[in-house]
Amino acid sequence: AQSVTQLGSHVSVSEGALVLLRCNYSSSVPPYLFWYVQYPNQGLQLLLKYTSAATLVKGINGFEAEFKKSETSFHLTKPSAHMSDAAEYFCAVHTGRRALTFGSGTRLQVQP
Amino acid sequence: GAGVSQTPSNKVTEKGKYVELRCDPISGHTALYWYRQSLGQGPEFLIYFQGTGAADDSGLPNDRFFAVRPEGSVSTLKIQRTERGDSAVYLCASSPRSATTDTQYFGPGTRLTVL
Repeated sequence: AQSVTQLGSHVSVSEGALVLLRCNYSSSVPPYLFWYVQYPNQGLQLLLKYTSAATLVKGINGFEAEFKKSETSFHLTKPSAHMSDAAEYFCAVHTGRRALTFGSGTRLQVQP
Repeated sequence: GAGVSQTPSNKVTEKGKYVELRCDPISGHTALYWYRQSLGQGPEFLIYFQGTGAADDSGLPNDRFFAVRPEGSVSTLKIQRTERGDSAVYLCASSPRSATTDTQYFGPGTRLTVL
């Protein structure tokens, strides 16, 4: 069975600093991986997805993630945090069973 | 275009009551999913529809939970004899097909509180 682990339930960075949100997956078959963002009182919005093409995936709002099979990781990064990036971020895996399996989420705080 | 909509946005009920939660997917999307998100957790899969039929209901926690999609568009999640442990945000998502690479588009959710 597939699973996702997000290290760090809360991450705090200063505005302008690097954002790094960690995601490790477990899957017996090649995975498809997703990052979603959830703003308060809003639905989940797709940031980016890995579907076995390029291992470095660029998403919306300046975010990107790199698929590393040897490390079973799909960490999310952004070079410079903005106040508007404060939200909850979820990593998810999809391995052929139709539903997504989500991690428990990481809440990102951006300090001025 | 219009996204996934869910009604009501909030539902407060008493233990033992019956509730219905509605999902309107994006027009033309054939796949529809229900998830449940408890406080501090990621969404957990409940059920998936391809067209009118439930293709996978393995995530439904017990037989008090049931969902329908009679015309292949709107879906209703039904919970009988609600319990306090059912309190959560219920999320609906739709996708154009059901391919594993398809993006699932989520609605804002229905927050269910069982007193």
